[in-house]
Amino acid sequence: SQTIHQWPATLVQPVGSPLSLECTVEGTSNPNLYWYRQAAGRGLQLLFYSVGIGQISSEVPQNLSASRPQDRQFILSSKKLLLSDSGFYLCAWTKQGQETQYFGPGTRLLVL
Amino acid sequence: GEDVEQSLFLSVREGDSSVINCTYTDSSSTYLYWYKQEPGAGLQLLTYIFSNMDMKQDQRLTVLLNKKDKHLSLRIADTQTGDSAIYFCAGRTSGTYKYIFGTGTRLKVLA
Repeated sequence: SQTIHQWPATLVQPVGSPLSLECTVEGTSNPNLYWYRQAAGRGLQLLFYSVGIGQISSEVPQNLSASRPQDRQFILSSKKLLLSDSGFYLCAWTKQGQETQYFGPGTRLLVL
Repeated sequence: GEDVEQSLFLSVREGDSSVINCTYTDSSSTYLYWYKQEPGAGLQLLTYIFSNMDMKQDQRLTVLLNKKDKHLSLRIADTQTGDSAIYFCAGRTSGTYKYIFGTGTRLKVLA
């Protein structure tokens, strides 16, 4: 069966520090991968998606970047965090040609 | 771009029916989804409907789609306290990889 992991679960970082959030999927190959951000009291904002290794589409210009170094690994990064980067970051995947999008447990990021 | 809107809050009594509404702007949306998010957790897919369908029923869940008005609803029959959560509608156009999510409706079930 397929599973999706995210870590860390919770992160508190100072403004200006770097960020690296990791997402991995097990039990499938060549998934489409997604990063979303959910700010307090708001809906889901699509940040990045990837349809293959090294292929990243950015939806919102900001100080975040994403990389996909391996087929089932998706990394969200920042060189310098802003206060506005605080939120709940969700990774998701879909199987090519299928409808269901599966979400990871999320990482709660607080930038102080 | 597409916009998906939902009311922010809904409160119902246990045992009553809940109806969560969603409106979308992109008529090319081919697939429409309902997700549930429990506190501090990721999203769980509840059900989805193709744009060529008007209704889909799955146990206590009924999805209604009005394509003319671009309106989607989720009815939960016999609502239980365990149904308290945030419910998101989302849409996707065939041939694209992007899912557009609504703002979410927080459902509170009163005992």
